[in-house]
Amino acid sequence: KNQVEQSPQSLIILEGKNCTLQCNYTVSPFSNLRWYKQDTGRGPVSLTIMTFSENTKSNGRYTATLDADTKQSSLHITASQLSDSASYICVVSQAGTALIFGKGTTLSVSS
Amino acid sequence: GAVVSQHPSWVICKSGTSVKIECRSLDFQATTMFWYRQFPKQSLMLMATSNEGSKATYEQGVEKDKFLINHASLTLSTLTVTSAHPEDSSFYICSARDSSGRRTGELFFGEGSRLTVL
Repeated sequence: KNQVEQSPQSLIILEGKNCTLQCNYTVSPFSNLRWYKQDTGRGPVSLTIMTFSENTKSNGRYTATLDADTKQSSLHITASQLSDSASYICVVSQAGTALIFGKGTTLSVSS
Repeated sequence: GAVVSQHPSWVICKSGTSVKIECRSLDFQATTMFWYRQFPKQSLMLMATSNEGSKATYEQGVEKDKFLINHASLTLSTLTVTSAHPEDSSFYICSARDSSGRRTGELFFGEGSRLTVL
């Protein structure tokens, strides 16, 4: 069964700290993996999209990694800011058009 | 960057009425658009895939007569919630892919439309 599991479900960190969000998937055949940030009441915004051959991709303070062998991805946030408080959604694209969504990790950054 | 626009961003309606939500790709053409529903603190649930010039493909459990989808042009898809009831209250989001192939795999989301049925 094609699944995308994210952990932790929720996370609270202090402003300025780093954190790492996890995404494990069983989607096959694999096409690409995306991380989105969704602020409350807004649509998701793309952070990174990674294909099979990419191991690491950065977007400012966000760095995503992908291990296609173990089918794991992580999103590392450096020097967190209050504006990083949001839901982070991992989406895996199955070859073709199917997208499998994770349930997301809710991050709260406090001062 | 690419922009997908949804309208209205929020709507309140009476039970039994129909509500139309528009999804437009502003700087690219999209032969395929997707409609999602999101309940509070939950992930997006794909409702249907909207195909330009043909019938939409609905996910299992989604009533096609309840949620009418029309993809009349390469930049516009509409979702109509017919005879809305309070349980239809939710956050509806659309997304679209650039059909030109310039941004392969990239999926752009609209800002969402919050529907409240009284």
